[in-house]
Amino acid sequence: QVQLQESGPGLVKPSQTLSLTCTVSGGSISSGGYYWSWIRQHPGKGLEWIGYIYYSGSTYYNPSLKSRVTISVDTSKNQFSLKLSSVTAADTAVYYCARDGVVTDDAFDIWGQGTMVTVSS
Amino acid sequence: VIWMTQSPSLLSASTGDRVTISCRMSQGISSYLAWYQQKPGKAPELLIYAASTLQSGVPSRFSGSGSGTDFTLTISCLQSEDFATYYCQQYYSFPRTFGQGTKVEIK
Repeated sequence: QVQLQESGPGLVKPSQTLSLTCTVSGGSISSGGYYWSWIRQHPGKGLEWIGYIYYSGSTYYNPSLKSRVTISVDTSKNQFSLKLSSVTAADTAVYYCARDGVVTDDAFDIWGQGTMVTVSS
Repeated sequence: VIWMTQSPSLLSASTGDRVTISCRMSQGISSYLAWYQQKPGKAPELLIYAASTLQSGVPSRFSGSGSGTDFTLTISCLQSEDFATYYCQQYYSFPRTFGQGTKVEIK
């Protein structure tokens, strides 16, 4: 059974770069047909898709964040990562990694538990 | 960008009630729609994909319908564990977008 686990600093200073990693267990990130996404949720608010990566390295980012986002994959570690640069308080949110499931027609069928990131000096 | 209008934002109901949640798209998306349930402090969980296909393990009291621009999530007989927030999400085009959420609370 595939599981996802986010990790990274819970506190980031304004103007710095937020860096998170999602570790995939119970399956290979290189198994074809799946896209690996980052999604965030501001406190008490709805969900915002940040972008995704395929195991080959191809990416697609939300245009609203594209200038600041980089998603990368490390197949040897079965991980994918998010970098968000020049953060402000508006980037304070719970960050989730999720699998875009080929079996479920591209809906997000598996989610990590989420990690809270606070942007503050 | 496809905008989604989910309604109501808050729904007060009792155990045993039949409840419906609506999701309207700013443009047609065929059946590329999913529904998620989120409980406080937890990640969302997939309930329904392709507008009406129940995810494995999800109780049959949940159902989805619609295509094009108008979609509905129905819970036929509300159980105590169903009090949560529900989101619709389109995956017809990029960026992927979610509805604003519907909180189902105990009346």
